[in-house]
Amino acid sequence: EVQLVQSGAEVKKPGESLKISCKGSGYSFTSYWIGWVRQMPGKGLEWMGIIYPGDSDTRYSPSFQGQVTISADKSISTAYLQWSSLKASDTAMYYCARQGSGLDYWGQGTLVTVSS
Amino acid sequence: DIQMTQSPSSLSASVGDRVTITCRASQSISSYLNWYQQKPGKAPKLLIYAASSLQSGVPSRFSGSGSGTDFTLTISSLQPEDFATYYCQQSYSTPPLFTFGPGTKVDIK
Repeated sequence: EVQLVQSGAEVKKPGESLKISCKGSGYSFTSYWIGWVRQMPGKGLEWMGIIYPGDSDTRYSPSFQGQVTISADKSISTAYLQWSSLKASDTAMYYCARQGSGLDYWGQGTLVTVSS
Repeated sequence: DIQMTQSPSSLSASVGDRVTITCRASQSISSYLNWYQQKPGKAPKLLIYAASSLQSGVPSRFSGSGSGTDFTLTISSLQPEDFATYYCQQSYSTPPLFTFGPGTKVDIK
């Protein structure tokens, strides 16, 4: 069974760093792109970027380029999304998803709350 | 960048109704169009990929059509579990920049 399991909810202060994770199982992790999607409270879905764990080829939406870093460790079938300095406006739910024919499998989401 | 629009932004319908949601791309995306359903507090779920292919396990009352710039998601007979928000997404752009539409909320009349 294909699964993407994300790390738990985080509460951080502005200026802090954060790295959240997405662990894949039940398929060849290195053979599918993994995308990240943001959903701010009460808002729609926003495409952030995508990584191919096989060779770590990474592409970012222009809106998120320079704001976050996407990475992967294929040895443990895990993709990451990280911030070096969080802002209150980073408060959102973050989803990872496998790019098959469409985003066919999704993680359960990681809620990130940034508040002083 | 390819922009996606959806109409309507929300609709009210009754169980058993036929519901149609439209998605438009700012340029031709061939058939690189996917549809997702999202219920409150849950991750999105893929319904339709490549404009008209039904994802495994999705009920056949869901169908998709279109190509180029104009696409449609149809629910032939709305069921109670179908009240949700629906998003279209283009997967045409390279490098992968798979923009979502703004969403259509379907609620109970």
